[in-house]
Amino acid sequence: EVQLVESGGGLVKPGGSLRLSCAASGFTFSSYSMNWVRHTPGKGLEWVSCISSSSSYIYYAESVKGRFTVSRDNAKNSVYLQMNSLRAEDTAVYYCARLGGLGASAFDNWGQGTMVTVSS
Amino acid sequence: DIQMTQSPSSLSASVGDRVTITCQASQDISNSLNWYQQKPGKAPKLVIYDASNLETGVPSRFSGSGSGTVFTFTISSLQPKDIATYYCQQYDNLPYTFGQGTKLEIK
Repeated sequence: EVQLVESGGGLVKPGGSLRLSCAASGFTFSSYSMNWVRHTPGKGLEWVSCISSSSSYIYYAESVKGRFTVSRDNAKNSVYLQMNSLRAEDTAVYYCARLGGLGASAFDNWGQGTMVTVSS
Repeated sequence: DIQMTQSPSSLSASVGDRVTITCQASQDISNSLNWYQQKPGKAPKLVIYDASNLETGVPSRFSGSGSGTVFTFTISSLQPKDIATYYCQQYDNLPYTFGQGTKLEIK
């Protein structure tokens, strides 16, 4: 059974930093691109970042470019999101999601999410 | 960026009703579209991929159609367990973008 478990969320002041982790199990982690997607009640779902299976390709949403850094450790079956210079508008539930499906083009498995709150 | 526009934003229907949600892309995305179901406090769940393919384990009352810029998502006979917010998402171009969501409620 595919499992994705996020951790590392919490309350942080504007301008602060946080590192999210996502531990994967139940599949060959090193064969899949992994993504971070966030959800807010007001804006819905927003894709944040994608990292390819071997870390060769990394992409970010414009809203986080230059502030967030995605990485992965295939030996530890984990993907990370380092978030710096946090803003109030980064407040959201953050999900890691596997890019899978027949064409490796759908978020076919998601973690349970971790809440990030940016507030003074 | 490709903008995805869903309609309606919310929908109230009765058990057994046929429900249809529309998603319009700001440019031609072929069939590069997925649909997700998100229940309150839960992670999204993939329902339809590549515009019209049912994800494994998803009931056959769910279906999707469309190509190019206009797509539809249909529940043929609404069940109480289908109450959720539904999102379309394009993967034709990065950044991946989602529609704003359609909140489905029971009348």
